[in-house]
Amino acid sequence: KQEVTQIPAALSVPEGENLVLNCSFTDSAIYNLQWFRQDPGKGLTSLLLIQSSQREQTSGRLNASLDKSSGRSTLYIAASQPGDSATYLCAVRSGGSNYKLTFGKGTLLTVNP
Amino acid sequence: DAGVIQSPRHEVTEMGQEVTLRCKPISGHDYLFWYRQTMMRGLELLIYFNNNVPIDDSGMPEDRFSAKMPNASFSTLKIQPSEPRDSAVYFCASSLTGSNQPQHFGDGTRLSIL
Repeated sequence: KQEVTQIPAALSVPEGENLVLNCSFTDSAIYNLQWFRQDPGKGLTSLLLIQSSQREQTSGRLNASLDKSSGRSTLYIAASQPGDSATYLCAVRSGGSNYKLTFGKGTLLTVNP
Repeated sequence: DAGVIQSPRHEVTEMGQEVTLRCKPISGHDYLFWYRQTMMRGLELLIYFNNNVPIDDSGMPEDRFSAKMPNASFSTLKIQPSEPRDSAVYFCASSLTGSNQPQHFGDGTRLSIL
């Protein structure tokens, strides 16, 4: 059974700092990995999706990497801003024909002005 | 473009009552997902549909839970009878077919069973 862990559970940084969020998964036979952002009282917004054959994906100040063999992914946020404050969740899709996502419990990020 | 629409946004009801949550996926999306989010267990998939057909319902906790998708633009998740431990935020999501297609989430229904 796939299990996804995110460390740390919470992170507080000053504005402008570069930061890394971590995600690990127990079964390396994944199809893709997604990073989501969740604002309070809202649903999830997809940030980046990395296919199992890819090593990284970039969108603006965000960069996500994937090391399938070690069961790890990182989300790098450059020059953090107060507007980046949210919960960031990592999710793994294990099968090509199965669309089920297994989620970590998220990292609550606070960027202080 | 309208996103995934869920109703109601909030529901408070007494134990034993029937609860119906509703979802309208993004037009043209052929996959629809129901999730439940709690502090203890995080976000869990309950069931998902492809072209209105249930594909994986292994996450449905008990027979008190049922989900239907009568057409491509509407789905319901029903709990009967409801219990206090069903209190959670329930999310609906939809996506297109494809390995690079992300899931798009609604804003959720916050359900409180008293």
